[in-house]
Amino acid sequence: EVHLLESGGHLVQPGGCLRLSCAASGITFSNYAMSWVRQAPGKGLEWVSSISDSGGITYYADSVKGRFTTSRDNSKNTLVLQMNSLGLEDTAVYYCAKGGQLRDIDCWGQGTLVTVSS
Amino acid sequence: DIVMTQSPLSLPVTLGQPASISCTSSQSLVHTDGDTYLNWFQQRPGQSPRRLFYKVSNRDSGVPDRFSGSGSGTDFTLTISRVEAEDVGVYYCMQGTHWPLTFGQGTRLEIK
Repeated sequence: EVHLLESGGHLVQPGGCLRLSCAASGITFSNYAMSWVRQAPGKGLEWVSSISDSGGITYYADSVKGRFTTSRDNSKNTLVLQMNSLGLEDTAVYYCAKGGQLRDIDCWGQGTLVTVSS
Repeated sequence: DIVMTQSPLSLPVTLGQPASISCTSSQSLVHTDGDTYLNWFQQRPGQSPRRLFYKVSNRDSGVPDRFSGSGSGTDFTLTISRVEAEDVGVYYCMQGTHWPLTFGQGTRLEIK
């Protein structure tokens, strides 16, 4: 059974940075593209970033491009989202999600809450 | 960016009755590889989203057959033949044909 466990969500001040991690189990992690999707409180789903199975290809939403970096360590079955220059609009639950191909999203983690506030 | 427009945004349904959610994209979702990357997700209250369908009409494992997905090009539909209490939640369409990936606004299904 696929299990995705996000961690690292925290309260951070505007302009600060945060590093989220997603630990995957139950799958051969290196075979799958991975994505980050966020959900602001009471709002809908917003795609943030995707990374190919090898890590060689990444895509970002315009709203985070230049501030967020997605990476992965296939030897540790871990996906990482480095978030810099955080703004109030980045407050959300961040979900880690697995996909077959780069444009797929199928299984989701339980999410980790990032709150940007002074 | 591709805009995904869902309707209705709120859907009150009587138990046992059918329900239908429409999703329209601002451009065709037919990829150059011939596939149409349109997914449907269900998010029950307090839970993470769960995929119901991929490539328009391919049902994910464990999804009851009272759910069906249909459509082509720019117009897609999620249909529930007989709504049950466990179907309460928010339903999202998502396109994966064009970057960036985009979601519809969500349709909240509730029991009347």
